[in-house]
Amino acid sequence: GAGVSQSPSNKVTEKGKDVELRCDPISGHTALYWYRQSLGQGLEFLIYFQGNSAPDKSGLPSDRFSAERTGGSVSTLTIQRTQQEDSAVYLCASSLMGSFGRGSETQYFGPGTRLLVL
Amino acid sequence: GNSVTQMEGPVTLSEEAFLTINCTYTATGYPSLFWYVQYPGEGLQLLLKATKADDKGSNKGFEATYRKETTSFHLEKGSVQVSDSAVYFCALKLGQEYGNKLVFGAGTILRVKS
Repeated sequence: GAGVSQSPSNKVTEKGKDVELRCDPISGHTALYWYRQSLGQGLEFLIYFQGNSAPDKSGLPSDRFSAERTGGSVSTLTIQRTQQEDSAVYLCASSLMGSFGRGSETQYFGPGTRLLVL
Repeated sequence: GNSVTQMEGPVTLSEEAFLTINCTYTATGYPSLFWYVQYPGEGLQLLLKATKADDKGSNKGFEATYRKETTSFHLEKGSVQVSDSAVYFCALKLGQEYGNKLVFGAGTILRVKS
């Protein structure tokens, strides 16, 4: 597609329910990232995929959060037993993989999924 | 650790005023530096970037120069417009060995009055 797409754009759920957020990266981008944007914490890194593997999960805030990527394309971020503090905008980004050791590859962001946990 | 510090907002300017948004960073290794912009109701967009010391990134009249000696990447524009009103994020990115992730500043709200 032309850009990174995410669905749903908005999600309202009740505390304790599970939610799944989807990200479709730019075609041909092998790297995929999830970030979270919340009022109190700003923009935080969650997890990074290189192909289908996740070499860096260091930003996942708890074991209620998990993510997978299949076919080197679509990724799903799952939050189990949601809590009110999970309310935030979840952003997905993708990039081309550049040469090892350089961080110059630009990340392109999707519009985000706004999650509200009641 | 790796971190980015931006000047606190909101910054309120009149149209055609000069803009500076300060950004300094702390990083291991040699980061690439970015400015992203988020217009009201929209997603994050890349504004400009610089990948090594003394590089200047520029786009839409905005400029920022990668200053290794002062670990800074200040954003400037000579004459702002009302349409520049947005939130601006400074970010750094290290290489694959550091996880390739972006580390963002807190963001600076810019309001331009006509």
